[in-house]
Amino acid sequence: EAGVTQFPSHSVIEKGQTVTLRCDPISGHDNLYWYRRVMGKEIKFLLHFVKESKQDESGMPNNRFLAERTGGTYSTLKVQPAELEDSGVYFCASSPNSETQYFGPGTRLLVL
Amino acid sequence: GESVGLHLPTLSVQEGDNSIINCAYSNSASDYFIWYKQESGKGPQFIIDIRSNMDKRQGQRVTVLLNKTVKHLSLQIAATQPGDSAVYFCAENRKAAGNKLTFGGGTRVLVKP
Repeated sequence: EAGVTQFPSHSVIEKGQTVTLRCDPISGHDNLYWYRRVMGKEIKFLLHFVKESKQDESGMPNNRFLAERTGGTYSTLKVQPAELEDSGVYFCASSPNSETQYFGPGTRLLVL
Repeated sequence: GESVGLHLPTLSVQEGDNSIINCAYSNSASDYFIWYKQESGKGPQFIIDIRSNMDKRQGQRVTVLLNKTVKHLSLQIAATQPGDSAVYFCAENRKAAGNKLTFGGGTRVLVKP
């Protein structure tokens, strides 16, 4: 069974540009989570989808971040415009039951 | 890698010895705890979990101990191998909070041959 996949694996952009990250969860997992780890900090929750609905977006840092999960399958996380402090690793996780969460390899974002 | 700049406590252990990684959590209402292993360039990989109504759970070469009185969690790895070198994170989960994970800062384990 394929695990959680994320694309791209790395992204280097300039401040002010837009970046879109993609996550494909494990097939059949209704729950999809986004987390990130910025430099020097712990992994922090961003938001949680159940199918196509946003269950909890309390961790989204500001309105420059927009997450979607149209059709309840893959999800995208768009950062527009990107700022220097957005640099870090963005992880996606999926779960069939909201308990055990399986993580993807992450997207390493560097904003210059 | 992504750990640059993140000052992690490091546990250096001889191959074949046992490792003990500790974690303190803050929320007494947490009802589920998980240990993850993260190797360089990869995402966190599930190792073992434990519910709050348990004190101990064993897996293959790993044991998790939960002490709710002092809000402490530990991961014991038996006969540590070079492949165990990684960063280990504990995470807590509360259903009432929507099952979003709260992670600890991580411990780096270095296995010396």
